[in-house]
Amino acid sequence: GAVVSQHPSRVICKSGTSVKIECRSLDFQATTMFWYRQFPKQSLMLMATSNEGSKATYEQGVEKDKFLINHASLTLSTLTVTSAHPEDSSFYICSASPGEGYTFGSGTRLTVV
Amino acid sequence: EDQVTQSPEALRLQEGESSSLNCSYTVSGLRGLFWYRQDPGKGPEFLFTLYSAGEEKEKERLKATLTKKESFLHITAPKPEDSATYLCAVDTGRRALTFGSGTRLQVQP
Repeated sequence: GAVVSQHPSRVICKSGTSVKIECRSLDFQATTMFWYRQFPKQSLMLMATSNEGSKATYEQGVEKDKFLINHASLTLSTLTVTSAHPEDSSFYICSASPGEGYTFGSGTRLTVV
Repeated sequence: EDQVTQSPEALRLQEGESSSLNCSYTVSGLRGLFWYRQDPGKGPEFLFTLYSAGEEKEKERLKATLTKKESFLHITAPKPEDSATYLCAVDTGRRALTFGSGTRLQVQP
């Protein structure tokens, strides 16, 4: 079946630094990818929609200058958390559709210390 | 505004004790309803997609059903390995899913 690979699975960074998370569709092309955020014991909240070759679309309340999204190819989207702060600590998950349904990456646990 | 509500929030069952999880939805236009399983620290794993009222799908001990207002995930004779969070999500054509808050299921041996 369709696979979405997400790296890294865990990252710890110091406050004020930036962190990049990669999301790859391994066996299909994805013109659109989705980035979600999940807090403990809560559900997935859509942050932004990543569009290949164009600007990402951000959900209301999500700072586009803090969460930079780049979708430079049909198989790769990246999310960069800039100037990270402890409140950015969360579980970030990407998703793409191989045609029918949606496949999710394994998630990235970000801890900002 | 699209809304997805799951109940119960948490459920503890004994091994072999069948039960059902509920997902009620209020959306402007349903294109599909999805059930996912999520283990701690992992991304959601696809279980089922339902497209129209009356549709049913089964996989091992799980069976999903759909009406015009809600969906049920029936778990028959669950085993400890069925312990996970079960997420319901709707596709309304916005090209991203709207998720419910999930049901945390614990099956005790």
